[in-house]
Amino acid sequence: DAKTTQPPSMDCAEGRAANLPCNHSTISGNEYVYWYRQIHSQGPQYIIHGLKNNETNEMASLIITEDRKSSTLILPHATLRDTAVYYCIVRGRNAGNMLTFGGGTRLMVKP
Amino acid sequence: DAEITQSPRHKITETGRQVTLACHQTWNHNNMFWYRQDLGHGLRLIHYSYGVHDTNKGEVSDGYSVSRSNTEDLPLTLESAASSQTSVYFCASSDPGGTQYFGPGTRLLVL
Repeated sequence: DAKTTQPPSMDCAEGRAANLPCNHSTISGNEYVYWYRQIHSQGPQYIIHGLKNNETNEMASLIITEDRKSSTLILPHATLRDTAVYYCIVRGRNAGNMLTFGGGTRLMVKP
Repeated sequence: DAEITQSPRHKITETGRQVTLACHQTWNHNNMFWYRQDLGHGLRLIHYSYGVHDTNKGEVSDGYSVSRSNTEDLPLTLESAASSQTSVYFCASSDPGGTQYFGPGTRLLVL
């Protein structure tokens, strides 16, 4: 699985968009970009994933660059409850493939 | 609603005792996983299973075992608990597309 690089921490004002970057320059053609988050003391929560097209769901949007070497997770209107560690993970789509969690980005949403 | 549950949520045990952590999912997923999470290490894979009677070792499997007698359950057993196994344990299952969903976790303290 490709390695990812994320900033260790970010701040965001409540109500503003939170843009979390991820670099994955060694991603291969069949690997997807997954985003999870972990709110303190809880299990990791799936947010969104994509291959090469931008994706949007009720939680967030995922923007993947055309060369697929980086991506951005967008939380359009961050709330205090979005304070968490966000993990960007690149892996194949096979259902058996493991998830390898790196350090993630600690997002602090401030009032 | 389908879900994944873990029990107990908190457990205190003594060194040398056998401990079993339960994981139960109602999605009928074939793939199930056990991770542990420690400060400074993120999530690390302990064991995983691709179906009934299938079990595989992960990155940190020493001192742990699993069994899969049905689709819904993957219990994790610590054969002889050690203080180094004090951790938070997360169970997960993946849908046919490969997205993993995590349980709420079990906090284990080995004294």
